[in-house]
Amino acid sequence: KNEVEQSPQNLTAQEGEFITINCSYSVGISALHWLQQHPGGGIVSLFMLSSGKKKHGRLIATINIQEKHSSLHITASHPRDSAVYICAVIRSSGGGADGLTFGKGTHLIIQP
Amino acid sequence: DAGVIQSPRHEVTEMGQEVTLRCKPISGHDYLFWYRQTMMRGLELLIYFNNNVPIDDSGMPEDRFSAKMPNASFSTLKIQPSEPRDSAVYFCASSLVAFGNIQYFGAGTRLSVL
Repeated sequence: KNEVEQSPQNLTAQEGEFITINCSYSVGISALHWLQQHPGGGIVSLFMLSSGKKKHGRLIATINIQEKHSSLHITASHPRDSAVYICAVIRSSGGGADGLTFGKGTHLIIQP
Repeated sequence: DAGVIQSPRHEVTEMGQEVTLRCKPISGHDYLFWYRQTMMRGLELLIYFNNNVPIDDSGMPEDRFSAKMPNASFSTLKIQPSEPRDSAVYFCASSLVAFGNIQYFGAGTRLSVL
């Protein structure tokens, strides 16, 4: 079983819909990152969070440390939100190369 | 700032050849990361530097891979000799703090080893 599981793997929605992407992990962590990878391949770091909730524009990220779960929400989704969203966790024992684990990503398509 | 700059954007080479990927981090960022992305394995952290010093290279797959950071504004990832299974997209990223902060990614180098 992967240490970081994302769901769904693929998601197609209509413009304007509220989107939720989930990330569950099985190890103790010190922080969690959400990344966005555009169809052209470029990667943007959206959030780094270790507790609670963060908001940036139409994006909201939440984390529940006790439940080992994080969600990324997109409000009023738009076709330009179409991308792969990747969750990455930093193990609480250290964030070295072997302590940073990525999920497989969620492929999101927003149709006009 | 122009962001993290990687070169080349695309590299096609033959098995056995040496490949050198280059990265210029954002000025003032003390941390530099090299990642590899493949369809099979997704994103993987290969190595990271702090103030030009390699801190953790446990993600480097084999001795064929080496990375250097001779100064604060330049890093290289070298594969010698290259193999077809090294084909991937290699990303460089930089940040102010190791893992507790946002990382800024370069556009990546798409490597194809024939």
